[in-house]
Amino acid sequence: ETVMTQTPLSLSVTPGQPASLSCKSSQSLLHSDGKTYLHWYLQKPGQPPQLLIYEVSNRFSGVPDRFSGSGSGTDFTLTISRVEAEDVGVYYCMQSINLPTLTFGGGTKVEIK
Amino acid sequence: VRLAESGGDVVQPGRSLRLSCAASGFNFHNYAMNWIRQAPGKGLEWVALITYDGSNDYYTDSVKGRFTISRDNFKDTLFLQMDSLRVEDTAVYYCARELSGYTPAYWGQGTLVTVSS
Repeated sequence: ETVMTQTPLSLSVTPGQPASLSCKSSQSLLHSDGKTYLHWYLQKPGQPPQLLIYEVSNRFSGVPDRFSGSGSGTDFTLTISRVEAEDVGVYYCMQSINLPTLTFGGGTKVEIK
Repeated sequence: VRLAESGGDVVQPGRSLRLSCAASGFNFHNYAMNWIRQAPGKGLEWVALITYDGSNDYYTDSVKGRFTISRDNFKDTLFLQMDSLRVEDTAVYYCARELSGYTPAYWGQGTLVTVSS
């Protein structure tokens, strides 16, 4: 089983400041097809999760460009260039290389100072 | 894309429950579908997946042999039959449509299942 580890557990950010969230996998998420199957979700309070970034760095439809993803192999980062109040919630990374089993990280909670 | 789960309830351990997910706004029969759950105050856990045509289904280890995912491509509906329910199955259950490669992209609002004596 691929284990996904997210750090930090929580993050308090001043509006307008950047935020960086880390996700590490227990094995490489690089597939033989050349794609890396690491995705990021945001779950705002009281809402279902929403897809932000798929395959490391592709923003999903409607996602603001202040969100960006990077990384390779086993180490990945979600960056919010300028945090806004609406960005509060729990961010999850997820791997889909070991299909059909999908596994999520434990989440990083982002709060506004 | 719209996904609407239903069927959540309070049930005793050992009983059964069937969840439904009504899909609209896309060609349901073209996409794989997932069930993902979230226990109260906890993180996300993938539960089950079914391919676009229903020919293959997959489960997380903790529900194998107890849960069955299925779909009706004529009625654009996804199902999760849950048997031998346990207290630890208590969660909000979400259905989610894939973007591609089974990656969940579109999620419903969820339905709450509570297993308690």
